[in-house]
Amino acid sequence: NAGVTQTPKFQVLKTGQSMTLQCAQDMNHNSMYWYRQDPGMGLRLIYYSASEGTTDKGEVPNGYNVSRLNKREFSLRLESAAPSQTSVYFCAGTDRPNSPLHFGNGTRLTVT
Amino acid sequence: AQSVTQLDSHVSVSEGTPVLLRCNYSSSYSPSLFWYVQHPNKGLQLLLKYTSAATLVKGINGFEAEFKKSETSFHLTKPSAHMSDAAEYFCVVSDRGYNKLIFGAGTRLAVHP
Repeated sequence: NAGVTQTPKFQVLKTGQSMTLQCAQDMNHNSMYWYRQDPGMGLRLIYYSASEGTTDKGEVPNGYNVSRLNKREFSLRLESAAPSQTSVYFCAGTDRPNSPLHFGNGTRLTVT
Repeated sequence: AQSVTQLDSHVSVSEGTPVLLRCNYSSSYSPSLFWYVQHPNKGLQLLLKYTSAATLVKGINGFEAEFKKSETSFHLTKPSAHMSDAAEYFCVVSDRGYNKLIFGAGTRLAVHP
């Protein structure tokens, strides 16, 4: 079973460039989440989708947009990348809010 | 608002000795609490969860955690550390008001031979 799959694994961007981080799950999760992980700060929620067709802001949404394309896919877009967005990004899914999450292996993004 | 504090950013133990990773939380609700583990360059994996059924929760790989409401704590323990336990551990509390999980800053566990 693939579980939660994130692409790409690594990415280097220049300031101002845009890109989309892809996430797909085959676990029939209703809820999906995007987190960023920075040293000493744990994981912080960027956006989440409680169910197909809905999205909501998390703790640190500025500079990001999301799309819940269908039940399986939840993408994160950086319209104009900034060095402050250098981080490791994790996608996760769960059957219902506040339940244990299943994580992808992360995307390591560097913005120069 | 809910929050979680992991009291140690780094813990170092010798192989075969006990592990204690400390976590305090604050919550307006009866909380759900979790511990996750992250091995290098990997995603997070659920170790165990507390959802009010029993105060002592057993997880995978010999870990367990005790929910103490009076102390607002949910410390993670293991009787005997193994080299493969070296990883980062995250304590997590649910925020039912906002349908999301709140992560602690993490504790990096080092295990020495």
